Amino acid sequence: DVVLTQTPPTLSATIGQSVSISCRSSQSLLHSNGNTYLHWLLQRPGQSPQLLIYLVSRLESGVPNRFSGSGSGTDFTLKISGVEAEDLGVYYCVQGTHAPLTFGSGTKLEIK
Amino acid sequence: EVQLVESGGGLVQPGRSLKLSCAASGFTFSNYYMAWVRQAPKKGLEWVATISTSGSRTYYPDSVKGRFTISRDNAKSSLYLQMNSLKSEDTATYYCARHRPMGIFDYWGQGVMVTVSS
Repeated sequence: DVVLTQTPPTLSATIGQSVSISCRSSQSLLHSNGNTYLHWLLQRPGQSPQLLIYLVSRLESGVPNRFSGSGSGTDFTLKISGVEAEDLGVYYCVQGTHAPLTFGSGTKLEIK
Repeated sequence: EVQLVESGGGLVQPGRSLKLSCAASGFTFSNYYMAWVRQAPKKGLEWVATISTSGSRTYYPDSVKGRFTISRDNAKSSLYLQMNSLKSEDTATYYCARHRPMGIFDYWGQGVMVTVSS
């Protein structure tokens, strides 16, 4: 199975600070069809996960544009440009290129 | 507004069975793949099952293959998860999710707790 390693496991940020979360895959996530099926979710405390970014860098409808995704192959990054209080929670990457679908272990964002 | 509402969770003994349901509304259910994703207490997310639009194709990880069965009733806009031979490690919150293919879970239910314990 593909292992997604997220770093750091915990991140502490002040309001307005920009932060990045890394997701590194044990295998390339480039599919034979040319797409890269790496996506990002946020799970706020006590809530269900919500989709933020799909296909590496595409912003899901309704998600603020302070969120952005980048990367290719095995290395991917989620960036938050100007953290807001509502951004606290656990961020997960998920890959759909290789069966079975797998999730990263999560990065917890705390607000200072 | 898309809504996914799970039901059927609870406490069950190891080796027994349980069936979860998910009622969908706010979108054309029959046009979408659907999935179950679980989260053990204080742990991360684990994909459990996916079903195609017609229900003719189903997909599972090895951890539940042969024990869990995903199904759907498009006429009722409902998704199901039949869980047999339950183990303590199946204890988790189970989420119903709309699955745009290849790992894009764009809507999630509120989750239902399943506890496997004697």
